[in-house]
Amino acid sequence: DGGITQSPKYLFRKEGQNVTLSCEQNLNHDAMYWYRQDPGQGLRLIYYSQIVNDFQKGDIAEGYSVSREKKESFPLTVTSAQKNPTAFYLCASRAGTGIYNEQFFGPGTRLTVL
Amino acid sequence: QQQVKQSPQSLIVQKGGISIINCAYENTAFDYFPWYQQFPGKGPALLIAIRPDVSEKKEGRFTISFNKSAKQFSLHIMDSQPGDSATYFCAASMTGGGNKLTFGTGTQLKVEL
Repeated sequence: DGGITQSPKYLFRKEGQNVTLSCEQNLNHDAMYWYRQDPGQGLRLIYYSQIVNDFQKGDIAEGYSVSREKKESFPLTVTSAQKNPTAFYLCASRAGTGIYNEQFFGPGTRLTVL
Repeated sequence: QQQVKQSPQSLIVQKGGISIINCAYENTAFDYFPWYQQFPGKGPALLIAIRPDVSEKKEGRFTISFNKSAKQFSLHIMDSQPGDSATYFCAASMTGGGNKLTFGTGTQLKVEL
């Protein structure tokens, strides 16, 4: 059963803590993406990776970090430097480099800062 | 910088009616325009997409109309059903640079009986 899994579904963080969100895909996709979704603001790109061991900043990378050590995994760390981390985080993946290749999304992780 | 502007923010349509959502973009380098559908608590899913070399694409009850000169595109949902109630996002991307998607702010559609 192919797809993208994100864990946990809900995550609570105390101020000052770093937390890591997991994203795994078994679609054999080369590219992976992290988006943040806030009410009324659509989806905004945090980081993306087109190949293992390489990644680039998106539009709102400050306060976040990623790694891409394996093709199927692209974890996102929300650091204490992120001032307003409460949001819905979505991971996506896409096959190859063709622009018309569909970008598939995972089910998301809802992060709440206590 | 909002490169894709979407309207309306919310929309209420009667069952069987036509739902219309509009988007406008600024960057003429965009060459792929998908629409995503998202249900509460779920990730978005691709609904339909269009390339700029065609003016219209239809898939079942869903149609994209594209106006390259006006830099606008719209989603039409014919015979709207309560099951279509969801949030819809338009997006755009350009060749190269990771083929990143730039999203509109979303339209919350409610189809009433």
